[in-house]
Amino acid sequence: GAVVSQHPSRVICKSGTSVKIECRSLDFQATTMFWYRQFPKQSLMLMATSNEGSKATYEQGVEKDKFLINHASLTLSTLTVTSAHPEDSSFYICSGARVPDTQYFGPGTRLTVL
Amino acid sequence: QQQVKQSPQSLIVQKGGISIINCAYENTAFDYFPWYQQFPGKGPALLIAIRPDVSEKKEGRFTISFNKSAKQFSLHIMDSQPGDSATYFCAATYSGGSNYKLTFGKGTLLTVNP
Repeated sequence: GAVVSQHPSRVICKSGTSVKIECRSLDFQATTMFWYRQFPKQSLMLMATSNEGSKATYEQGVEKDKFLINHASLTLSTLTVTSAHPEDSSFYICSGARVPDTQYFGPGTRLTVL
Repeated sequence: QQQVKQSPQSLIVQKGGISIINCAYENTAFDYFPWYQQFPGKGPALLIAIRPDVSEKKEGRFTISFNKSAKQFSLHIMDSQPGDSATYFCAATYSGGSNYKLTFGKGTLLTVNP
């Protein structure tokens, strides 16, 4: 149990376009979902926390107008990278919290912006 | 600044040996300590977790040792196998908080030589 999926697994886009990444909890309801960014050989950097039906809380330094997060249901959260640029290229990972402190991670989405 | 300090940064172990990764935390409010295993290009997977009411937890070849007074916890991988080669992250959180944020260590790249 506690499976989280992400779609797409890889995406390549042109600079200036927007990209949407979906995160789904498949077998549990995630009242809270998290979005992380990970650079090569580094730890996970929390971008934002989202609760179902409410606005996401962004970490300091993360542009909320650039990284739009929607948590429409207890099993779905989306991250939209707007007007993507090469510096946005990264590995994006979501997680869902099932019990008060356990996070289960998705497989990640590799974004490459040309 | 809440921190979790993880060491070593990288570790090479022979097959059948014991891998030991250490973490230290500062925030005494932390009360849940998970370890995650991450393979290249994949999302982190929950490996094992411990709460401060016990000093040790074992699941198969993986054991967490917890020292509350020293604010330290460690992961021991017994009979290490080449398939265990991955990056391991320790983390900590406060389950009484509203958003269950995890504070991650910087990761340990484990290589198990055959």
